[in-house]
Amino acid sequence: GENVEQHPSTLSVQEGDSAVIKCTYSDSASNYFPWYKQELGKRPQLIIDIRSNVGEKKDQRIAVTLNKTAKHFSLHITETQPEDSAVYFCAASSGGNNRLAFGKGNQVVVIP
Amino acid sequence: DVKVTQSSRYLVKRTGEKVFLECVQDMDHENMFWYRQDPGLGLRLIYFSYDVKMKEKGDIPEGYSVSREKKERFSLILESASTNQTSMYLCASGTGGYEKLFFGSGTQLSVL
Repeated sequence: GENVEQHPSTLSVQEGDSAVIKCTYSDSASNYFPWYKQELGKRPQLIIDIRSNVGEKKDQRIAVTLNKTAKHFSLHITETQPEDSAVYFCAASSGGNNRLAFGKGNQVVVIP
Repeated sequence: DVKVTQSSRYLVKRTGEKVFLECVQDMDHENMFWYRQDPGLGLRLIYFSYDVKMKEKGDIPEGYSVSREKKERFSLILESASTNQTSMYLCASGTGGYEKLFFGSGTQLSVL
């Protein structure tokens, strides 16, 4: 099945700086890559997703890029704010068997 | 707004007890999922269902079973709870397979 890895596990950034989280996946047939944000004590929520026929997608201060050849995709957060502090999970579709494989999560800490 | 409701936020049970975790969604989603979240391990899929009375094993189904008698309700059952099942359990629902999942607030289960 699909195996998704996230790096780094913890990332600290100064408020206003950019944060980048990278994920790698193993199954070249995977075609859907979402990112979920989980604030402390709250439920995970979808913040952005990308399909394999697109190389980049942007939504205000967040963007996701996909490199299918290298089998990795990244979340970019610009002009970080304290409310960006959270655990971010990447995921990849596990082929046609109707499920997502999640990475282990990245803790992002934005220092005011 | 989509609402995914889990019946209990915190639950304490004893080893060997039968435990029911309930999840209800109000958006007529076909697909429902049960995940387990442990520190450093991310979100791991236990079971999922893409239709009433249908169920599929996820990545860690051992020690669990599920029931989906109505479209809006998906129950996770621990037949005989063990201490290694102490965890945060997250229910999710979605339409179109695994895309754009909506998560419940989670049930923190402690097995003593």
